[in-house]
Amino acid sequence: AQKITQTQPGMFVQEKEAVTLDCTYDTSDPSYGLFWYKQPSSGEMIFLIYQGSYDQQNATEGRYSLNFQKARKSANLVISASQLGDSAMYFCAMREASQGATNKLIFGTGTLLAVQP
Amino acid sequence: SQTIHQWPATLVQPVGSPLSLECTVEGTSNPNLYWYRQAAGRGLQLLFYSVGIGQISSEVPQNLSASRPQDRQFILSSKKLLLSDSGFYLCAWSSGTGDEKLFFGSGTQLSVL
Repeated sequence: AQKITQTQPGMFVQEKEAVTLDCTYDTSDPSYGLFWYKQPSSGEMIFLIYQGSYDQQNATEGRYSLNFQKARKSANLVISASQLGDSAMYFCAMREASQGATNKLIFGTGTLLAVQP
Repeated sequence: SQTIHQWPATLVQPVGSPLSLECTVEGTSNPNLYWYRQAAGRGLQLLFYSVGIGQISSEVPQNLSASRPQDRQFILSSKKLLLSDSGFYLCAWSSGTGDEKLFFGSGTQLSVL
């Protein structure tokens, strides 16, 4: 079964507008972490934001925020005030606490975001 | 500050040839190290991880192997490449202390022809 599901293969957004990238996850582990990474066309994976399963508040990092809905098992990424440089592939990932000290991340298939001027 | 180096950036190899991709981390000690592969248009698949020198765990059966001869060096190898080994290979590290973040290298695009 898919552990991380990103249902949007591609998204368009106008510059300066906000966009939400969807991510749902599946785990029976009560403790887990959720991540979003950005992959520009150059290929490197850039860490954006992290949400722990026990965190009371939604994570925010600058223009990035994570809309964490635990009951729905969703961890959507919200990018506010989109910029042309935000055009990239975005991956949602999960780490389960049962992995112990290893940080083995399970990745979704990604969403390709295109920001239009 | 910590940095991760991965090379080469691109590689074109014939079927049946050997492979060696190298990854080194600077600015930290005893990191956890990882090799991921990304097929075209797909997410990342974990291939190997290591929590210490000489300790390698394989996540999926495959034609590749990994080694960790030094604390901050991680090598991905193959004796005979297959067409299906083509892909984008990413090395990554984490602190191994419970810090959640995974930091990636710049990747190697491998084309097996």
